[in-house]
Parts: sequence; C-alpha cells; structure tokens
Amino acid sequence: KNEVEQSPQNLTAQEGEFITINCSYSVGISALHWLQQHPGGGIVSLFMLSSGKKKHGRLIATINIQEKHSSLHITASHPRDSAVYICAVEWDSGYALNFGKGTSLLVTP
Amino acid sequence: KAGVTQTPRYLIKTRGQQVTLSCSPISGHRSVSWYQQTPGQGLQFLFEYFSETQRNKGNFPGRFSGRQFSNSRSEMNVSTLELGDSALYLCASSLALGGGYGYTFGSGTRLTVV
Repeated sequence: KNEVEQSPQNLTAQEGEFITINCSYSVGISALHWLQQHPGGGIVSLFMLSSGKKKHGRLIATINIQEKHSSLHITASHPRDSAVYICAVEWDSGYALNFGKGTSLLVTP
Repeated sequence: KAGVTQTPRYLIKTRGQQVTLSCSPISGHRSVSWYQQTPGQGLQFLFEYFSETQRNKGNFPGRFSGRQFSNSRSEMNVSTLELGDSALYLCASSLALGGGYGYTFGSGTRLTVV
C-alpha cells in the first residue's frame, strides 16, 4: 500500500528554536507538497517540490528522491508558526494528492 | 485576486438527507479537486475535475459525486447522508491537472450530520 508517513506527530518548541518536520513515502512520486493548516481549517500551500531544496522566508523544504524523504525546516520559530503541517504526495501513477497525518506544532513564547 | 470560494461554510443536515457543496476556483484555474478531512482518517482525496470531466476519483462510495461547469465552478453532492459523513470538505483549484502548478485551497465547508 502506498503510504505517506510524517514525524513527529506533535511538536512543542520555544520561540526562536529551529524546527524540523519529516516526511517519508513508499514509492515513486512526481511531486511533494508541504501544506499548513491553522485552526478553523483553511489550508495554505507552502511548497511544491520534485527535487532539491526551496526556501521562503524562514521556511526551508528539502527532498531526497533516492531516499524517498522530505523535510520541512522552520528557522527562528515564532508563535504564529503554530499550526498543523501536512505533507502530501502525488504518486507517479496518478495525480491525486495523498496526505500524511500531519504534524501539530505549538510554538510557545 | 479572489481566492477559492466554498459555500456554505457550515451546514447541518439530518441522516438520510442529501447535500450539495459549491466551490468557485480562482479565475483561470481549470482544475478543481475535492477532499474530506476527519479527525480519524485525516485528509482524503475525493475526486478531481478538469474541463468538466472527472479525471480522478478516490476510494469513496457512489453516494459521493460531483460535477464541474463550463466556468470551472464545481459542486459535490452527497446523497443519503450518514453520521460518518460529518467532516470538513475542502476544495482546491489548480491551473491544470495535478499539482504541477500548485494548489490553492478554499476555507472548506464544515458538514455536520445529525
């Protein structure tokens, strides 16, 4: 069965800390997405990756296609970063998004 | 530029009823996909429409259906509602099929079945 695994499931950090969220998947993909969901439900697309690394402000996303692994890093974390971060992949075999269970991040002042 | 608009935001229905949810994509986006989010199962793909045709379907019963109009607006319908259909229903739009151009999500419709 094609799977997307995220770790950790829950994460608490102090403001200013460097945060890493991991995502592993089981078979070949055409793209990997990192999404952010705040309480209330709205989802924001942070990154779409098929190789290498992308950076946007304090957020960095990397992907290693050979190891089937991606990481989302948050530098100098802030309480407004508190949200659920979701990894989603598009398998080589189709377009549909397949989601990890999410990582719930709480950044305390 | 307007984002993806989902209506209604909240809905309460009784078991056995049917419901129709609407999604208006970003202007120029031709692909609309639908997702169900529950605490137990997380986010799951329902279906994707492009140029008024369903291009991909997730593993949901036939009670879940959808359509896309010529202006790319999409509706999804759930018939014979069950308590387990209570969920946040999200749609996302994209310029083309798949996520090659990225997805923009709506705020969702929270459906409660009683």
